[in-house]
Amino acid sequence: DAMVIQNPRYQVTQFGKPVTLSCSQTLNHNVMYWYQQKSSQAPKLLFHYYDKDFNNEADTPDNFQSRRPNTSFCFLDIRSPGLGDAAMYLCATSKGLAGVGETQYFGPGTRLLVL
Amino acid sequence: AQSVTQLGSHVSVSEGALVLLRCNYSSSVPPYLFWYVQYPNQGLQLLLKYTSAATLVKGINGFEAEFKKSETSFHLTKPSAHMSDAAEYFCAVSFQGAQKLVFGQGTRLTINP
Repeated sequence: DAMVIQNPRYQVTQFGKPVTLSCSQTLNHNVMYWYQQKSSQAPKLLFHYYDKDFNNEADTPDNFQSRRPNTSFCFLDIRSPGLGDAAMYLCATSKGLAGVGETQYFGPGTRLLVL
Repeated sequence: AQSVTQLGSHVSVSEGALVLLRCNYSSSVPPYLFWYVQYPNQGLQLLLKYTSAATLVKGINGFEAEFKKSETSFHLTKPSAHMSDAAEYFCAVSFQGAQKLVFGQGTRLTINP
């Protein structure tokens, strides 16, 4: 089945220690998104790629970076995690942008714990 | 400003009762509307979406939603709640020319036996 895969499902890191979260997709979608979701809150968009074009949300901290080496994979790098970065990180993909009504398909998420 | 509001952060119903989760949007242009469900420690799963075809949209797991332009609403309903419906539900909206979805605050649905 075509799907969005996130690894690992749970990640524990130390305060200030860089961490990378991974997302892959078999849907061959053009757009890949990274969201941060804290407890009992809606997902918050960090950035997205349309093909190789990177779009950063204005309020995304510089501590968060992303890479998309090819169509299938996208990575979220947190350079120096703080306690406030503990959250669920969701990857999503879509064929086109939201403005044409395209559905976003979400992965199962990676829960990040910062000690 | 374009936005989406879910009325009620928590809704509790009895098993077998009607489920009604409310979603209102604010927009001067026709929106695309989505309902997603999220189970604990899972990603979001699409329940249904409205893209200007039929105003009554049927989704998975027995859910449906009706787009009412005059009321700027897209409420989610299910005639008979099941214990497995307990989850967080998010209404989301996008607008023509937009690059992203705008999510409502979410409604946590609890089912009482």
